[in-house]
Amino acid sequence: EDQVTQSPEALRLQEGESSSLNCSYTVSGLRGLFWYRQDPGKGPEFLFTLYSAGEEKEKERLKATLTKKESFLHITAPKPEDSATYLCAVQKAGGGADGLTFGKGTHLIIQP
Amino acid sequence: DAGVTQSPTHLIKTRGQQVTLRCSPKSGHDTVSWYQQALGQGPQFIFQYYEEEERQRGNFPDRFSGHQFPNYSSELNVNALLLGDSALYLCASSPLEGSSYNEQFFGPGTRLTVL
Repeated sequence: EDQVTQSPEALRLQEGESSSLNCSYTVSGLRGLFWYRQDPGKGPEFLFTLYSAGEEKEKERLKATLTKKESFLHITAPKPEDSATYLCAVQKAGGGADGLTFGKGTHLIIQP
Repeated sequence: DAGVTQSPTHLIKTRGQQVTLRCSPKSGHDTVSWYQQALGQGPQFIFQYYEEEERQRGNFPDRFSGHQFPNYSSELNVNALLLGDSALYLCASSPLEGSSYNEQFFGPGTRLTVL
């Protein structure tokens, strides 16, 4: 059974204090690993897709990396507007755009 | 370009009732997936529709059913509502083809409360 575990569950940082969020996964054949940002009461907002070990993608203060067992979301010099829940999801290799298996998320709070 | 839209925004029902939620995919997208997100949890995959057929289903009972129309819009139906069905219901759409064909873009969700 596919599994995604995110840690920590919650993280409180000071503005400008860099850190990393972890996503460990178990899947029988990975098509892609996805990172989303979710604000309270809203739908997840797509951030990145990673397809193979060693791949990295960046967007503003965020950088996502992928190994064969886990992914990291690095946040550099965060600002209060980066506060949100960050969700990690995996998609199993197969035909078409299959359903995603999500972790529970990391609730990130950036204090001014 | 409008993104994924869902209606209604909020809904309150009582146990045993039936509910229908609606979703319009992003322009150019033909695949629609539905997810249930309980408070404090990640979204859970319910099912996916492509070419008006259910092509994949998660671990949800038959009380959950759906439909996709020729214009790619979709409905989620839940019968015999239980208190545990209270959640945020999310619709996601995927593009027809191209390098991002498996990337799913989510709508704002419908908050269902069952009393």
